[in-house]
Amino acid sequence: GEDVEQSLFLSVREGDSSVINCTYTDSSSTYLYWYKQEPGAGLQLLTYIFSNMDMKQDQRLTVLLNKKDKHLSLRIADTQTGDSAIYFCAERGSSNTGKLIFGQGTTLQVKP
Amino acid sequence: NAGVTQTPKFRILKIGQSMTLQCTQDMNHNYMYWYRQDPGMGLKLIYYSVGAGITDKGEVPNGYNVSRSTTEDFPLRLELAAPSQTSVYFCASSTTTSGISEQFFGPGTRLTVL
Repeated sequence: GEDVEQSLFLSVREGDSSVINCTYTDSSSTYLYWYKQEPGAGLQLLTYIFSNMDMKQDQRLTVLLNKKDKHLSLRIADTQTGDSAIYFCAERGSSNTGKLIFGQGTTLQVKP
Repeated sequence: NAGVTQTPKFRILKIGQSMTLQCTQDMNHNYMYWYRQDPGMGLKLIYYSVGAGITDKGEVPNGYNVSRSTTEDFPLRLELAAPSQTSVYFCASSTTTSGISEQFFGPGTRLTVL
């Protein structure tokens, strides 16, 4: 079945770049998403990429998609302490229900 | 716009008790979803709805029921609470399933079953 995998934890120093990785199995994925969850809050959409793109840049965020390897990454440049959160990768298949399959979430810890 | 609201924020239940988790959205979204989030496990889809009067099972529906009598409300019912249902529950909604189809999430309900 469909599956999305992420590493569970990443620790970086403030000002460094962070790279969070994700692999997925559904080759019919149409959109892939990165959601951010701050402590005690719900998830918020951070960025997304359409499956026919291989890169998307949005200010400090760069999303890379390798469709052949079914690998997605999120790079955060100049990581700040306010970036500390859990980051979820999610994929949407080709059905018309809008259902998302989420990864386990990567906890990003940013040290001052 | 309040967005997606959920009540209660926290709840402790005894085994065998029942309760309803409330979810309301004021964005006139057709699509609504219930997820549970267990530590280190990501979010799992419990039930979803594509419009008023229509609901369907997600990945982990056992032990839960839903209804969708209006566009705004999508309550989740636990009939006989079990310790395995201890989790954080998130409700989400989206306006469409075409294009970006962003899901908007509520703040969550933290449920403990003892």
